[in-house]
Amino acid sequence: DGGITQSPKYLFRKEGQNVTLSCEQNLNHDAMYWYRQDPGQGLRLIYYSQIVNDFQKGDIAEGYSVSREKKESFPLTVTSAQKNPTAFYLCASNEASSYEQYFGPGTRLTVT
Amino acid sequence: QKEVEQNSGPLSVPEGAIASLNCTYSDRGSQSFFWYRQYSGKSPELIMFIYSNGDKEDGRFTAQLNKASQYVSLLIRDSQPSDSATYLCAVRDRGSTLGRLYFGRGTQLTVWP
Repeated sequence: DGGITQSPKYLFRKEGQNVTLSCEQNLNHDAMYWYRQDPGQGLRLIYYSQIVNDFQKGDIAEGYSVSREKKESFPLTVTSAQKNPTAFYLCASNEASSYEQYFGPGTRLTVT
Repeated sequence: QKEVEQNSGPLSVPEGAIASLNCTYSDRGSQSFFWYRQYSGKSPELIMFIYSNGDKEDGRFTAQLNKASQYVSLLIRDSQPSDSATYLCAVRDRGSTLGRLYFGRGTQLTVWP
């Protein structure tokens, strides 16, 4: 069953703790993306990657870090430096030859 | 910064009517346009994409693109209550080989029985 999986669905953390969100895809897609969505807001790009071991900052990269050690995996770490980390985090991917991005189910992070 | 503008709504239509969702974008050179549907609490789902001027139809959905006016729209014919969702417009950055998208804030659609 092909698709994008994100885990966990819900995540609760205390302020000051780093947390890593998982994103895995078995679609053999080259490009992967992390977005953040806040209530009533559009999607804002955090990081994106086209190939293994390479990634670029998006519009709101501060306080976040990523890695792309495998084509199918693109984990996002929300560090304690992120001032307002509570949000809905979405991972997406697409083939290099197509710009049609598909999304995972998302992780809802709450930091208190 | 690329701008993608949508009316936030809410847009409310009766069942069976045509719902018209609109989107404008700032980058005249943009070439690829996408419509996503997002149900409350869920992730966005790609429903339409259009690359050329004119209309593209897929079932009850029609995407319309006018590059001269920098305007893209989504028409939903025979609207159903199950169409009630937020619709996100996205535009591809022409300067990026990676294909990053810029999203509008979305239009909330309610279809009432």
